[in-house]
Amino acid sequence: DTEVTQTPKHLVMGMTNKKSLKCEQHMGHRAMYWYKQKAKKPPELMFVYSYEKLSINESVPSRFSPECPNSSLLNLHLHALQPEDSALYLCASSQELPYPAMEQFFGPGTRLTVL
Amino acid sequence: AQSVTQLGSHVSVSEGALVLLRCNYSSSVPPYLFWYVQYPNQGLQLLLKYTSAATLVKGINGFEAEFKKSETSFHLTKPSAHMSDAAEYFCAVSGSGNTGRLIFGQGTTLQVKP
Repeated sequence: DTEVTQTPKHLVMGMTNKKSLKCEQHMGHRAMYWYKQKAKKPPELMFVYSYEKLSINESVPSRFSPECPNSSLLNLHLHALQPEDSALYLCASSQELPYPAMEQFFGPGTRLTVL
Repeated sequence: AQSVTQLGSHVSVSEGALVLLRCNYSSSVPPYLFWYVQYPNQGLQLLLKYTSAATLVKGINGFEAEFKKSETSFHLTKPSAHMSDAAEYFCAVSGSGNTGRLIFGQGTTLQVKP
């Protein structure tokens, strides 16, 4: 299995809602990532987990809360989001850190709309 | 610090013509370089990567890229464009410190005309 899966595919939420994005991989990878991508822009790194521990938080607002329950699963909990948070949220994984030559495998993304 | 510049935010070619997408990098350490493709409403897919083993790297779907240290370039080429190649292409360099951080270029939209 060489896939990274993400659910849901689309999500519409109000500014007072709480929702979660889910990412799963079964490639035995030990590094997992969350990215945010606006239209016609490159992905922006949000968080990096290595061996289920948070290793990078790119100064992301606390209304985004990541969680890595096990080596295959990565969640992103959302609360009190703003309309400008509407974007494509991408999950990725790679074999392990620290090996900079390791390519990242991306999921299809969750298209989030905040009303 | 690493950085990537993709020259041309939009490239248009005719079907069957040569595809050339330009990428220049800046890196204080030997770089690891990647080309990713993103089709509409999809995630990123790795086309190829350079890890210092060979300067000419062959990837999927007939794409290849040549690492030129003297020009700090890693341009992506394909001899003959297909309609299915229309997509967004991102060049990226692996950030320093082995943190897993990828530094992306701004992307190039490839349009293929019939």
